[in-house]
Amino acid sequence: QQQVKQSPQSLIVQKGGISIINCAYENTAFDYFPWYQQFPGKGPALLIAIRPDVSEKKEGRFTISFNKSAKQFSLHIMDSQPGDSATYFCAATPWYGQNFVFGPGTRLSVLP
Amino acid sequence: ETGVTQSPTHLIKTRGQQVTLRCSSQSGHNTVSWYQQALGQGPQFIFQYYREEENGRGNFPPRFSGLQFPNYSSELNVNALELDDSALYLCASSLDREGSYEQYFGPGTRLTVT
Repeated sequence: QQQVKQSPQSLIVQKGGISIINCAYENTAFDYFPWYQQFPGKGPALLIAIRPDVSEKKEGRFTISFNKSAKQFSLHIMDSQPGDSATYFCAATPWYGQNFVFGPGTRLSVLP
Repeated sequence: ETGVTQSPTHLIKTRGQQVTLRCSSQSGHNTVSWYQQALGQGPQFIFQYYREEENGRGNFPPRFSGLQFPNYSSELNVNALELDDSALYLCASSLDREGSYEQYFGPGTRLTVT
């Protein structure tokens, strides 16, 4: 029940296209859903996050869509750029916020 | 505002040895969490420290232990190293405040056990 599932495992998108990564969870105690971006040899960097009281949050080219009833959330990267090529992790943490549960990651490659 | 820093960057140890990894939290943050990230996988929660006390633990054996100091910096200690302990160890700092969930990660320490 602590697991966060993530798909696809890898994604190839042309420059200017839309990248979409999906995550699903089971634990209804999860109350905060961040997305992290990780480049090789670096730590994960917080991109954008959402709470279950909203269905969508947008920051620049990054948008989170959240479906509470389906227990699913997704990251959309608009106008994808080669510099966006990285591994993306969704995560979730319960309302008591002790630990983040991470998905297995999606390796995104944006072709020039 | 300074970010999360970790030392050392890389470390090579032999099976059975002990290792200590260090983390300085982001300025103003009072909570530190440690994660293990195996190659090609997502980070796995080890434990969290708040006010120098362990405040939650993941599914890791007791040979993984930690400390938090009054300045909120932290150490991760691993005893009796095993080959499977080879991984990137990440420290994340946060502010324990109602409604605040953001965790900010350091660059990690790459541990190789031979």
